[in-house]
Amino acid sequence: SQQGEEDPQALSIQEGENATMNCSYKTSINNLQWYRQNSGRGLVHLILIRSNEREKHSGRLRVTLDTSKKSSSLLITASRAADTASYFCATDRQGWGKLQFGAGTQVVVTP
Amino acid sequence: DTAVSQTPKYLVTQMGNDKSIKCEQNLGHDTMYWYKQDSKKFLKIMFSYNNKELIINETVPNRFSPKSPDKAHLNLHINSLELGDSAVYFCASSQEPGSSGNTIYFGEGSWLTVV
Repeated sequence: SQQGEEDPQALSIQEGENATMNCSYKTSINNLQWYRQNSGRGLVHLILIRSNEREKHSGRLRVTLDTSKKSSSLLITASRAADTASYFCATDRQGWGKLQFGAGTQVVVTP
Repeated sequence: DTAVSQTPKYLVTQMGNDKSIKCEQNLGHDTMYWYKQDSKKFLKIMFSYNNKELIINETVPNRFSPKSPDKAHLNLHINSLELGDSAVYFCASSQEPGSSGNTIYFGEGSWLTVV
C-alpha cells in the first residue's frame, strides 16, 4: 500500500503563478523527500526534510512538514513552463532508504 | 559524468525470456536500490544492497534476482518474464543508510515491455 497520498492529483496553472501540492502519510517517519519526474525521465531529488524540521527552502521551492498532522506541502513559486512534471512525495520511516511513494501530482504550467 | 546510469533504457522482449538490467553509480555511495514504477506511476521498492549485501528484499517474485558484484554496481536479472513485469525499473543509490535521512539519487529508468 502507498504510504503517501498527494493532493491534488493534477494541477494546471499559468506561468508566474504559484503551485501548491500536499502530501499526507500514515505512519511516523524519519524523513520525507520530494521528487520531480519529467515525462519519460527519471526522478530528480528536490528536497529532503527531516522529522524534526518544519520548513525548508531551495530556490523557488518551499517545503513544510507537520508531523502532528502527518502532512507535508510543496510550494513552487513563480512557476515556469519547465516546471511541468509529476511531483512525488516519499516517506522514509527509519532512514534506511526504503522510500514509500505517493501517487504523485501532475503539474502543467502553461506559458 | 552521469551519477546513476542504467542500461538498457528501453527493452522489449517476449514472455518467457530472461533479461538483465545493469546499473552503475559513480557517487561513491554504499547503498543501491531497485525500484519499480507501474503503469499508474506507483513507485515501489524492490531491493536494497549495502556494500554488496542485501538489506531490503520486498515481496518480489524470486524470478527477480539482484546481483551486486561490487558496491558501485547492482544489476537486476529477471527470469521467465511475464506480461505483468512490464514497467519502468529505476536504479538508485545513497550513502550508507541508518543516518537521519539520505538523499536517494535515481537513474533515468529502464522501460521494460513484455509482449
